[in-house]
Parts: sequence; structure tokens; C-alpha cells
Amino acid sequence: AQSVTQPDIHITVSEGASLELRCNYSYGATPYLFWYVQSPGQGLQLLLKYFSGDTLVQGIKGFEAEFKRSQSSFNLRKPSVHWSDAAEYFCAVVTNAGKSTFGDGTTLTVKP
Amino acid sequence: EAGVVQSPRYKIIEKKQPVAFWCNPISGHNTLYWYRQNLGQGPELLIRYENEEAVDDSQLPKDRFSAERLKGVDSTLKIQPAELGDSAVYLCASSSRGQGRMVETQYFGPGTRLLVL
Repeated sequence: AQSVTQPDIHITVSEGASLELRCNYSYGATPYLFWYVQSPGQGLQLLLKYFSGDTLVQGIKGFEAEFKRSQSSFNLRKPSVHWSDAAEYFCAVVTNAGKSTFGDGTTLTVKP
Repeated sequence: EAGVVQSPRYKIIEKKQPVAFWCNPISGHNTLYWYRQNLGQGPELLIRYENEEAVDDSQLPKDRFSAERLKGVDSTLKIQPAELGDSAVYLCASSSRGQGRMVETQYFGPGTRLLVL
């Protein structure tokens, strides 16, 4: 069975600083990978996804993520964080059969 | 384009009572998902529908949970009877399978927050 690990439960960064959120997955084949963001009381919004091709994918709000097969990772990055980026971030893996597994999320706090 | 609609947004019930959640997916989306999200955790899939057919309900606690998607559009998730441990956010999502791919982007509704007392 597949699994997703987000090692950092909570991260605090200063506004304007760079950000990297870690995501490691376990799956026997090439996965479909997603990053979602969830603000309090809201559903999940897609930031970006990897299906195939270029391993560096660009998303909305200036986010990007890099798929590294050798490390089974799909880390999310942003060069300069804005206060409005404070939220919870979820990494997800979907198998070839369409089965979804989410990580437990990383809560991002942005200091002024 | 309207997003995924869920109702109610909040529900407070006493244990052993029944409760139902409703979801209307994005128009034209044939795949519908129900997830449960416990506090501090990621969403866990309960059931996935392809049109009217439940293709993955392996994580649905069938002794007390049931779901239906009779006409392949909107869906209802029911709990009867509810237990204290059912307190969570219940999320509905939908996607549209195109280009012969099994995996497409899921679009989520705002969720129903359930509190069982």
C-alpha cells in the first residue's frame, strides 16, 4: 500500500524568506503527486501536480515542486513567502488505479 | 463554473443519532469522493464513485456508514448511529476522467464539520 510522509508538522518562516515543505512517498510505481493548500474552515485547493514529464512543476501563487524519483520525494518550494501563505499544506499520492493517500499536513506560520 | 457544493456546513448531534451529508459535484464530473478529515490529519478516503458505481469503498465502516449516488450526480453520506469518534470534517471532491487516464485533479468542497456530543 502507498503512503505519504510529511516530516514537518509545523514550520515558521519570516515574510519574504524562502520556504521548502518536505514530502516523501512510498509507492511501487511512478506516482501521480499533488500539493494542496487548506485555509481554516475551507476545502483543499490544488497548488500543483506532477503526472509525467518535466520533474520541476510550477503551480499557482508562485509555488513549485520537484519530483525526485531516487529520493521518493516531492518537495514544495517558494522563493519568497507572503503572509497570506499561512495555511496547512497537504501532499498526496494517487496510484495508477486512482487510489488517493494524503499526508498529515504541514502547518505554515508566517512571521511579519 | 460552480464548485463542489456541500451541505450542511456544520452539524452538531448527540451520539447514537443519525446524520446525513449532501454533496453536489462540479457539473460533468463523473468521479465523486467522500473523505473524512480528523483534526490534525490529512483526508482519508471513505468511498469513490465512478458515475453511480462505488469502485472503492474499502475504507468505509459499513456497519454504520452508507453512501449513495443514485443518478450519478449528487451524493449522500449517512452515519447511523453516530459515535463520538465520528467527529471530523467530511469532505467531498469530484474529478473528471478524460484522455483515458485514471487520475485527474480532484476539486474539493468546503466540507461539513460534524461534532458528536
